[in-house]
Amino acid sequence: NAGVTQTPKFQVLKTGQSMTLQCAQDMNHEYMSWYRQDPGMGLRLIHYSVGAGITDQGEVPNGYNVSRSTTEDFPLRLLSAAPSQTSVYFCASSYWGYRDAFFGQGTRLTVV
Amino acid sequence: AQKVTQAQTEISVVEKEDVTLDCVYETRDTTYYLFWYKQPPSGELVFLIRRNSFDEQNEISGRYSWNFQKSTSSFNFTITASQVVDSAVYFCALREGTSGSRLTFGEGTQLTVNP
Repeated sequence: NAGVTQTPKFQVLKTGQSMTLQCAQDMNHEYMSWYRQDPGMGLRLIHYSVGAGITDQGEVPNGYNVSRSTTEDFPLRLLSAAPSQTSVYFCASSYWGYRDAFFGQGTRLTVV
Repeated sequence: AQKVTQAQTEISVVEKEDVTLDCVYETRDTTYYLFWYKQPPSGELVFLIRRNSFDEQNEISGRYSWNFQKSTSSFNFTITASQVVDSAVYFCALREGTSGSRLTFGEGTQLTVNP
């Protein structure tokens, strides 16, 4: 099993550029989510999805878009990157409810 | 609203010392889960433990132990006889019963174990 796969692992963007962070899981989990990790702030929830076709905002959604067309994939889109979006991004998946979350390896994004 | 506080930003110890990482949480739910994750310098998140709100038994796993006290809303993590490989950022996290699978993380504690 691959678990949760995030690509790319590292990315440098220029301000104003767009890109998509990919996240895929092969465990048939209903719940998928994106977090960003910033120094001194822990991980904060950006967007989440409870199943294909259903997404919702988390704590820090501004500047990010998501969609969930399949159970397996949950891409995170930055439409116009800003330096404030420089961060480490984690994708996670789990069965709905109280099961443990599985995290991807993270994507380190730098916006210059 | 739920909240997790890790007041210790950084801790530095010498190898073989015992160290306790503090975690205080806030929630209105009676059903919730608490977690500890380790983030080594390589960057991935490593799951360490999950406890539910109905189980206040302390847990020991090798050199690791956890003290869950509902009376003080705390879920502290102790490493006994620390080793250099324990150097990492440690996160405490909370999942409420009413929030499905959503995790709320603390700020993290950077632990450095010096030889």
